[in-house]
Amino acid sequence: QSVLTQPPSASGTPGQRVTISCSGSSSNIGTNTVNWYQQLPGTAPKFLIYRNSQRPSGVPDRFSGSKSGTSASLAISGLQPEDEADYFCAAWDVSLNGAVFGGGTKLTVL
Amino acid sequence: QVQLQQSGPGLVKPSQTLSLTCAISGDSVSSNIPAWNWIRQSPSRGLEWLGRTYYRSEWYNDYAVSVKGRITIKPDTSKNQFSLQLNSVTPEDTAVYYCARSYGGNGFDSWGQGTLVTVSS
Repeated sequence: QSVLTQPPSASGTPGQRVTISCSGSSSNIGTNTVNWYQQLPGTAPKFLIYRNSQRPSGVPDRFSGSKSGTSASLAISGLQPEDEADYFCAAWDVSLNGAVFGGGTKLTVL
Repeated sequence: QVQLQQSGPGLVKPSQTLSLTCAISGDSVSSNIPAWNWIRQSPSRGLEWLGRTYYRSEWYNDYAVSVKGRITIKPDTSKNQFSLQLNSVTPEDTAVYYCARSYGGNGFDSWGQGTLVTVSS
């Protein structure tokens, strides 16, 4: 059971906007920033969003992140077939003194 | 552009020690800014952070509660790499193991290719 809670699945059609939620607690998201990762089948996770809403170079601006209280969200606008992947949120937990992850959301592009 | 290259066996017997190495190019294991992490992923446990080593005038380690007492992460400055040792493994330790670099609250910005480690006799 993951410390951060994500919906197991999400879906959308090309061009749509989808949002993936990530819920935590005061010891992780409530205190520290949230990062997001995209994982294509058979590959390592890819750095997608850091410090709640910042995009590393090379990540399209279709991807955006936000945080409020003990929850965070990843939004993907203008959905494309290549966005079909698993998405994970993560944060540092001050009580556990370690990084914690969400269980992942499998995004299907219909 | 930092690159992380993992090496190590893909099969370990129960009760033995799992050992993996992560070679770093494009950065230094002794740098005062990043930390060097091990993370694993399995269908039953999802992504699980195992621990990290980092240098801030001296060496520090942090380990996940779930593996504390069985895990050692060590830097090797002569080869610019770091290693993972996990003792007394059981089939529950079967997973894909990743090394990754982190920069404070910026998360894990570079990952190794992953190594599937199976614990089986």
